[in-house]
Amino acid sequence: EPEVTQTPSHQVTQMGQEVILRCVPISNHLYFYWYRQILGQKVEFLVSFYNNEISEKSEIFDDQFSVERPDGSNFTLKIRSTKLEDSAMYFCASSERLAVLQETQYFGPGTRLLVL
Amino acid sequence: DAKTTQPPSMDCAEGRAANLPCNHSTISGNEYVYWYRQIHSQGPQYIIHGLKNNETNEMASLIITEDRKSSTLILPHATLRDTAVYYCIVRPGDQTGANNLFFGTGTRLTVIP
Repeated sequence: EPEVTQTPSHQVTQMGQEVILRCVPISNHLYFYWYRQILGQKVEFLVSFYNNEISEKSEIFDDQFSVERPDGSNFTLKIRSTKLEDSAMYFCASSERLAVLQETQYFGPGTRLLVL
Repeated sequence: DAKTTQPPSMDCAEGRAANLPCNHSTISGNEYVYWYRQIHSQGPQYIIHGLKNNETNEMASLIITEDRKSSTLILPHATLRDTAVYYCIVRPGDQTGANNLFFGTGTRLTVIP
């Protein structure tokens, strides 16, 4: 069964450093998402991406964040200058969206980011 | 914010049916009800979704009331591996926020041996 994969599974970085989280969505999916979950809190939407551009983003997704689909298979989330509060699990998701309101998003296993 | 209300926790004996309720009294006519679960910090896992009719797949059944103001997810024979947080999600009906899923706090289901 096809699945979303994410690398690395864990990432430790120093505050102020740049990190890139990588995702390989399910191959025939066209819609891509990033969510995050701070330890003990809810899963929160960050950004959605379609046709090589951001279609929606939350207030969390500020100028320090960017997304890219560099090669037609990978989907990346870059945090330009990490802060302590960026420590969280980051989940990638993808969907094929059969219709606007009927869409099943499939999630990857997540990358646990720890900012020291 | 999530448009659903779920009990914070439930227990279920192994092998018995787990019935997880969800209230969504402000649901609009074109909004689907989705259920996901999250097993201990893993990625959310899709379970099932529906609009107005009851639905069943290999994982679960979804019963939606006639007025669509509430629904119940049924795991027919719960196993220890079904211990997880279960999220009931109503997709927003307007174009703003139509992409994303709003996860609430869900119901923490514990399956007891």
